[in-house]
Amino acid sequence: DTAVSQTPKYLVTQMGNDKSIKCEQNLGHDTMYWYKQDSKKFLKIMFSYNNKELIINETVPNRFSPKSPDKAHLNLHINSLELGDSAVYFCASSPPWANTGELFFGEGSRLTVL
Amino acid sequence: GENVEQHPSTLSVQEGDSAVIKCTYSDSASNYFPWYKQELGKRPQLIIDIRSNVGEKKDQRIAVTLNKTAKHFSLHITETQPEDSAVYFCAASNKEYGNKLVFGAGTILRVKS
Repeated sequence: DTAVSQTPKYLVTQMGNDKSIKCEQNLGHDTMYWYKQDSKKFLKIMFSYNNKELIINETVPNRFSPKSPDKAHLNLHINSLELGDSAVYFCASSPPWANTGELFFGEGSRLTVL
Repeated sequence: GENVEQHPSTLSVQEGDSAVIKCTYSDSASNYFPWYKQELGKRPQLIIDIRSNVGEKKDQRIAVTLNKTAKHFSLHITETQPEDSAVYFCAASNKEYGNKLVFGAGTILRVKS
């Protein structure tokens, strides 16, 4: 019973292609996130949604477009992939704001752009 | 916005020794400070956290201390074991900013047996 699941786990593609990563959580959390972890292991937030509404949008190129069809899903679509987009992308969720700020991470999706 | 600095970037200790990782944060309004452990190829997982109304928290071999005045917090691992080898991340967040967790750059801890 994976709490936060994301697919695919591995993605290898050519520069210029468009790809999507899907994320689903069954924890009943209201808030979901996308984090990018680069080759130096640095974890940086990209987006956050609370109950399907965008609440955090860091300085991410507009080639990246998150979509939240419902509060249990947050997908990430990337257009015109570039070499620098190669990274591990982690989806995460957290309980309501009044509670702890703990993030529950998915297993990550390793994107390799050739 | 918040900025979190973490030191050292790598740390090697002998099994049984203690390990200490330190972080500083910039936003005095930050009020939640978790520590995450990430094993190779795995997801980050919370190991301990502390809120700004507490100065110290312990959980078996791990402890976290917080100095709000100096805006720094530390992770202490005692009696280290090989399975403690991983990357450790500190983070800080503030509900005012949507609970956005800002992570430090990570510390690679190697426990030599």
